[in-house]
Amino acid sequence: QVQLRESGPRLVKPSETLSLTCTVSGGSISPYYWSWIRQPPGKGLEWIGYIFYSGGTNYNPSLKSRLTISVDTSKNQFSLTLTSVTAADTALYYCARHAGAALSEDLWGQGTLVTVSS
Amino acid sequence: EIVLTQSPATLSLSPGERATLSCRASESVSNYFAWYQQKPGQAPRLLINGPSSRATGIPARFSGSGSGTDFTLTISSLEPEDFAVYYCQQRNNWPVTFGQGTRLEIK
Repeated sequence: QVQLRESGPRLVKPSETLSLTCTVSGGSISPYYWSWIRQPPGKGLEWIGYIFYSGGTNYNPSLKSRLTISVDTSKNQFSLTLTSVTAADTALYYCARHAGAALSEDLWGQGTLVTVSS
Repeated sequence: EIVLTQSPATLSLSPGERATLSCRASESVSNYFAWYQQKPGQAPRLLINGPSSRATGIPARFSGSGSGTDFTLTISSLEPEDFAVYYCQQRNNWPVTFGQGTRLEIK
């Protein structure tokens, strides 16, 4: 049974960098697409971006200048880096899998809450 | 970006009743459309893809319809576990966008 698990610091200071990793267990990272989606507390869902297992990416334009998504197939992991964070980046961050760029996310991690605060 | 508007914001129904949730897109999203269910403290779960194909393990009481700009999620007879927040999603145009959600609550 394939499972996703997000990991990383839960508290990040304003202007610093948020880094999260999603570990895929019970299955291979190929040949899927892997997304990051976030949800501010009590609010709706925002798509951050995705990476294909071979490295191709697609980012939300609203975050593109601060965002990097990368993949490490040897570790069955993919990662998110978001620079220059503000309080507006406080959210529950989910990683998820989808079988195609135009296909919806069918497997999600449990999510990890990241708070941006000094 | 494409804006998805869900209605109603909150729907109050009783178990056994039929639920109809709507999502309207600001422009056509073709069939690149999905519905998700989210319960408190849980990640979203894919219900409907494409926009009428049930995802693996989703009960037959959930059905989706529509194309272009107007989509509907129908729950034929509500079970207690169906009371949750429902989101629509489009991925016809980038960025992928979600509706603001419909809260389905017990009346």
